[in-house]
Amino acid sequence: GQNIDQPTEMTATEGAIVQINCTYQTSGFNGLFWYQQHAGEAPTFLSYNVLDGLEEKGRFSSFLSRSKGYSYLLLKELQMKDSASYLCAVADSNYQLIWGAGTKLIIKP
Amino acid sequence: DVKVTQSSRYLVKRTGEKVFLECVQDMDHENMFWYRQDPGLGLRLIYFSYDVKMKEKGDIPEGYSVSREKKERFSLILESASTNQTSMYLCASSSEVLGLHYGYTFGSGTRLTVV
Repeated sequence: GQNIDQPTEMTATEGAIVQINCTYQTSGFNGLFWYQQHAGEAPTFLSYNVLDGLEEKGRFSSFLSRSKGYSYLLLKELQMKDSASYLCAVADSNYQLIWGAGTKLIIKP
Repeated sequence: DVKVTQSSRYLVKRTGEKVFLECVQDMDHENMFWYRQDPGLGLRLIYFSYDVKMKEKGDIPEGYSVSREKKERFSLILESASTNQTSMYLCASSSEVLGLHYGYTFGSGTRLTVV
């Protein structure tokens, strides 16, 4: 079966760095997405990786290793507004998105 | 600013009622999707559409139907609402032309409670 695993919850301190991991087993691979979702709101697109390596977008970076079925989202200089759930999703061989359950990130002052 | 708009933010319906959830996008996207989101579970695909009047079943289509009469509008229909359909419903759209690099754009969601 297809499976996306990510931690249920993480806690970090304002100003610090946090890494949210995602491992996947899917039938085929056409890219991996990270989305941010604040409580009660729509998911918003953060990143899309289809090739191995690190992509940086301001305070957020996303890494992919296709051979290991592994990705992480790195958030630097954490701010209170980064408190949200972070969703990992993989596009399978049919270009359908398989979603993880999300990681709730709690930022403490 | 591009938008996906869902008609209702909160809905309360009675068991057995027919429920319509409406979604409109203004980005001229070809692809539209309906998901439900429940605590502890990933987003689950109910139905999707790649073109007007076209629909495909997702992972959990039972108890639902959809309609796409115009490119910008994708409706989800609960034929006879049941309490296990209490959930957050999310509509999304994406561009077939631009591909996956721009991801999906989601609406704000409709939180449906069936009593």
